[in-house]
Amino acid sequence: DAMVIQNPRYQVTQFGKPVTLSCSQTLNHNVMYWYQQKSSQAPKLLFHYYDKDFNNEADTPDNFQSRRPNTSFCFLDIRSPGLGDAAMYLCATSKVGDTQYFGPGTRLTVL
Amino acid sequence: GESVGLHLPTLSVQEGDNSIINCAYSNSASDYFIWYKQESGKGPQFIIDIRSNMDKRQGQRVTVLLNKTVKHLSLQIAATQPGDSAVYFCAVRYGQNFVFGPGTRLSVLP
Repeated sequence: DAMVIQNPRYQVTQFGKPVTLSCSQTLNHNVMYWYQQKSSQAPKLLFHYYDKDFNNEADTPDNFQSRRPNTSFCFLDIRSPGLGDAAMYLCATSKVGDTQYFGPGTRLTVL
Repeated sequence: GESVGLHLPTLSVQEGDNSIINCAYSNSASDYFIWYKQESGKGPQFIIDIRSNMDKRQGQRVTVLLNKTVKHLSLQIAATQPGDSAVYFCAVRYGQNFVFGPGTRLSVLP
């Protein structure tokens, strides 16, 4: 059974057109993460939520925003996607300081 | 801070041989380490973890070794199979978050 679910698996958007990616979890973990992964690179942490507390990485562009309306769901909003934002976006969850479990990812294409 | 590196970006092994993938980290305060396997088009999959109070941990066909003296972590895969072909990442806990190494692509030759 899927524990970390990401929708959609593939997303195509146009340059500058806002897009929202979603993540849900059935693990009841209090920490949720969003990573960006470009081809042949390691996942790069964008931000994470510890319960409702939002923690932004210092180098995450303002173009990226996130919402966590409840324990189970977390959203990644890209306000004005550029060509450089094309990547795989990975959601992960964990208990505090414990193993992170990843979803299958959403591959974003920007035309 | 923490930085994590790997010794080899790619590794090719013959089917049935053992594989060893290495990872080096910088911060001696790091206390929790994870190996992930990522197949093409999929998210990273947890393989095995180890905490800093241990130096070896074994799973099914996999062993993780931790050398805190030289800040080195390795993943050993016994009897490597075609299904083991993937990119392997080490992840090192620093503070609340994990820092990922750059990854090693393992190719299994028939």
